[in-house]
Amino acid sequence: SAVISQKPSRDICQRGTSLTIQCQVDSQVTMMFWYRQQPGQSLTLIATANQGSEATYESGFVIDKFPISRPNLTFSTLTVSNMSPEDSSIYLCSVEAGQVPTFGSGTRLTVV
Amino acid sequence: GENVEQHPSTLSVQEGDSAVIKCTYSDSASNYFPWYKQELGKGPQLIIDIRSNVGEKKDQRIAVTLNKTAKHFSLHITETQPEDSAVYFCAASTYFGNEKLTFGTGTRLTIIP
Repeated sequence: SAVISQKPSRDICQRGTSLTIQCQVDSQVTMMFWYRQQPGQSLTLIATANQGSEATYESGFVIDKFPISRPNLTFSTLTVSNMSPEDSSIYLCSVEAGQVPTFGSGTRLTVV
Repeated sequence: GENVEQHPSTLSVQEGDSAVIKCTYSDSASNYFPWYKQELGKGPQLIIDIRSNVGEKKDQRIAVTLNKTAKHFSLHITETQPEDSAVYFCAASTYFGNEKLTFGTGTRLTIIP
């Protein structure tokens, strides 16, 4: 299975600012997925990122709020823009490797 | 779209007893059903998965059963141990890999020593 590294592991940010989360995979993958896990809740897909094309966003998530980059087959970033306390969540990236969906350890974001 | 329901939301069992968590899904096209274990401060870890062409899969103390007709699947943990305490999520996907997962709401399992 793939090894996924996410940075930062946690951060505390001021409202109105932006945070970029990085996701690095140790193998080339076609698709990378970004999920949000609000406190005590389940995981919700934000968007799917393909290399060389625009990310596909799920209902309720927009590019202006969560811009995504996918410059190559092993790396992606998710930016949480103009943050508010409601954005406090764990953000996780995921890939399908070896026919198994695998998750990174997540970025725990607190907005104050 | 797909909707996955998971029960119970919390479950406490005595060490050594069995635990069962159940999920139902709505999309009959779903054909991949993984289970994840999430410990505090960590990302979800896949513990077992099942595809629609089989009805049951077992890996040591963990087993998953799938009833496609009824659109439900279950996680069974036998001989529970304290380290099994965690939050467990079921999920469903329409395609074989490379497709988004729809997650259940999670079950907080506590093993009582």
